[in-house]
Amino acid sequence: SQQGEEDPQALSIQEGENATMNCSYKTSINNLQWYRQNSGRGLVHLILIRSNEREKHSGRLRVTLDTSKKSSSLLITASRAADTASYFCATDTGAGGTSYGKLTFGQGTILTVHP
Amino acid sequence: DVKVTQSSRYLVKRTGEKVFLECVQDMDHENMFWYRQDPGLGLRLIYFSYDVKMKEKGDIPEGYSVSREKKERFSLILESASTNQTSMYLCASSLVDFSNQPQHFGDGTRLSIL
Repeated sequence: SQQGEEDPQALSIQEGENATMNCSYKTSINNLQWYRQNSGRGLVHLILIRSNEREKHSGRLRVTLDTSKKSSSLLITASRAADTASYFCATDTGAGGTSYGKLTFGQGTILTVHP
Repeated sequence: DVKVTQSSRYLVKRTGEKVFLECVQDMDHENMFWYRQDPGLGLRLIYFSYDVKMKEKGDIPEGYSVSREKKERFSLILESASTNQTSMYLCASSLVDFSNQPQHFGDGTRLSIL
């Protein structure tokens, strides 16, 4: 099974509501990253959280990391229709210089924000 | 801003053809990656490269090869295309800084093998 697994697979909310997506993983990590993908396009990096960090913010995004539970969550506050996209978590499990920044991606959460 | 450019957005080829997918990045990144993305399976790593002429197999290298003759360019080659290689192919690059670097993606090539 995948190193990173997102939950839920799909999320439908109204504009202005908050959206929370969760990611679980199996092995220890160097960092965990969240990406966004608009339909038919490439992935865009949103936020990176290192294994020794517990929380990180970027604009309307808040990411938490619980290494004891091997889980992370992405919170989008005050969502907008333009936030409609797929969101992926990705884990870097490499040991220092041997990882080459290789990531393992989850299957993603499809977020739909209705105007 | 980093720009990763994939040569084609859409490509249609026939079974048995040799197919080349090209990727160019403009930020002098050492690492480059090729993924395929299929519904329900997420992104799966095919090959990656951490330097010119260096390559490593990813999780699903069978049926593919790669070439990195120049730092900015990473090519994915389907030696003899088959219908099960119909997919979205994504290229990415990142700085070497021994992890803790994000990957930057191109817009993808949607490849259909008939």
